[in-house]
Amino acid sequence: AQSVTQLGSHVSVSEGALVLLRCNYSSSVPPYLFWYVQYPNQGLQLLLKYTTGATLVKGINGFEAEFKKSETSFHLTKPSAHMSDAAEYFCAVSEGGNTGKLIFGQGTTLQVKP
Amino acid sequence: GAGVSQSPRYKVAKRGQDVALRCDPISGHVSLFWYQQALGQGPEFLTYFQNEAQLDKSGLPSDRFFAERPEGSVSTLKIQRTQQEDSAVYLCASSLRGGLSYEQYFGPGTRLTVT
Repeated sequence: AQSVTQLGSHVSVSEGALVLLRCNYSSSVPPYLFWYVQYPNQGLQLLLKYTTGATLVKGINGFEAEFKKSETSFHLTKPSAHMSDAAEYFCAVSEGGNTGKLIFGQGTTLQVKP
Repeated sequence: GAGVSQSPRYKVAKRGQDVALRCDPISGHVSLFWYQQALGQGPEFLTYFQNEAQLDKSGLPSDRFFAERPEGSVSTLKIQRTQQEDSAVYLCASSLRGGLSYEQYFGPGTRLTVT
């Protein structure tokens, strides 16, 4: 069975500082990996995804993530945090197949301090 | 263009009542998903439709939960005899096709509170 673990339910950074949100996964097949962002009272928005190919994936709003098979990790980073980045972030894995249903981690709340 | 819409946005139900939650997917999207997000948790898969066919309902927690998409567009998630543990945000997502080549677009969710 597949699962996702996000280390740290709350992360606080200063504006302009590096953002690092951690995600580890468990999968018996080559995983497809995703990061979503959720702003209050809004639906989830896809930030980036890894399916195959290049292990460093660039997404929207300056975010990127690197797939490391040996570490079973897919950490999300952004070089410089902006106040507008404050939100809930979810890592997700899928085994593929015909549906593409997602298995999500518990989420990490990112706080950005001025 | 219009995204995924859900109604109502908020629903308060007394324990034992039946509720119906509606999802309007993006026009033309074949695939539709329902997820349940408990407070402080990530979304959990409930069920999947391809057009009107419910191809996966492995995530439905009990037989009190029922979903339908009779004409392959709008979907309704029905919960019978609601219990306090049903309190959660119910998210709907649609995608152009099934599989991972197509992004899932999420609606804002319906927050259900069972008192």
